[in-house]
Amino acid sequence: DAMVIQNPRYQVTQFGKPVTLSCSQTLNHNVMYWYQQKSSQAPKLLFHYYDKDFNNEADTPDNFQSRRPNTSFCFLDIRSPGLGDAAMYLCATSMGQTGLAVYEQYFGPGTRLTVT
Amino acid sequence: QKEVEQNSGPLSVPEGAIASLNCTYSDRVSQSFFWYRQYSGKSPELIMSIYSNGDKEDGRFTAQLNKASQYVSLLIRDSQPSDSATYLCAVRPSGTYKYIFGTGTRLKVLA
Repeated sequence: DAMVIQNPRYQVTQFGKPVTLSCSQTLNHNVMYWYQQKSSQAPKLLFHYYDKDFNNEADTPDNFQSRRPNTSFCFLDIRSPGLGDAAMYLCATSMGQTGLAVYEQYFGPGTRLTVT
Repeated sequence: QKEVEQNSGPLSVPEGAIASLNCTYSDRVSQSFFWYRQYSGKSPELIMSIYSNGDKEDGRFTAQLNKASQYVSLLIRDSQPSDSATYLCAVRPSGTYKYIFGTGTRLKVLA
């Protein structure tokens, strides 16, 4: 089945210790997204890639970086995690054509990040 | 003003009843609309999408869109306890690849 895969599902890191979360997809979608979601809040878009074009949200901290080495994979790097970065990190994909059709977005299972 | 607004709930309905979830949005050029179900501790799961005015039915779910009123709703017929979750409304404005989410409505279906 076509899907969005995230690894690891749970990640514990220490305050200030860099961490990398990964996402892969078999949907052949050209847009990939990273969201941060905290309890009882809406998913917050951090950045997205249209193919290899990177689009950063204005309020995404510099502490968050991303890489997309190819169509299928995308990584989220948190350079110096703080306690406030503990959250669920969601990867999602969609087709990136604008127009009248409905382009649905699909989420991976998420990575729950704990910062100690 | 929030771009996508939902009542946070909880909305409690008895088993077998119709649950009605509502969402309003502020961007008039929003083009397509989505409902996601999110169980506690899990990721959002797409359940319905709609872009034309009117109703779209899929099993027990019906999405209703009224672009003039900037309003989209989700009806769940014959609600089951397993439908208890948070339902997120999302819109994708025209000309963008971004999806704007509401904060979700928590639904409780009482057995």
